[in-house]
Amino acid sequence: AQKVTQAQTEISVVEKEDVTLDCVYETRDTTYYLFWYKQPPSGELVFLIRRNSFDEQNEISGRYSWNFQKSTSSFNFTITASQVVDSAVYFCALRGNDYKLSFGAGTTVTVRA
Amino acid sequence: GAGVSQSPSNKVTEKGKDVELRCDPISGHTALYWYRQSLGQGLEFLIYFQGNSAPDKSGLPSDRFSAERTGGSVSTLTIQRTQQEDSAVYLCASTQGGIYEQYFGPGTRLTVT
Repeated sequence: AQKVTQAQTEISVVEKEDVTLDCVYETRDTTYYLFWYKQPPSGELVFLIRRNSFDEQNEISGRYSWNFQKSTSSFNFTITASQVVDSAVYFCALRGNDYKLSFGAGTTVTVRA
Repeated sequence: GAGVSQSPSNKVTEKGKDVELRCDPISGHTALYWYRQSLGQGLEFLIYFQGNSAPDKSGLPSDRFSAERTGGSVSTLTIQRTQQEDSAVYLCASTQGGIYEQYFGPGTRLTVT
């Protein structure tokens, strides 16, 4: 069985601050995939990134960066210089051999102007 | 191109009635998923279709829930004899294949009164 834990329920920051969202996962599969999704107030889940278990390279996309560490089973997400438009619920998810996504509980990020 | 579409966007029904929720996946995507998002349970997997293979129904919460996918494209999720605990947002997602990221539709908000 897969398990994803997002320990932070809510994070509130002031615009331009950096914010890091934690994600810890559990799986017995040797090959698996990790994802981050954003759910803005409009409600639609927006795909942000996919990372394969055999690729531990960190990734940066604009103000977003991801840190994948297999040794600690973590896949953390950092938003640099946050903006009001970053306010959303962010979900970490894991897909193992059974093809379905297991989601964490989500972290609500509020960025205040 | 067009994303995943779902209809209706909102559905209010009386307890005991049957409902049908529809999902149109992205053209060419072979895999289709249904998830449910509720306050108490977070995002839960319901069912998975891949091509012509038998669907993975392991997430369906009861035998009142069923789904079909016609012609490898459109899918319908049916809930019979709805209960108040069925109230949730039902999300559909599609993907090119099992390992790729899933793209989600806007969801159907179901309210059972």
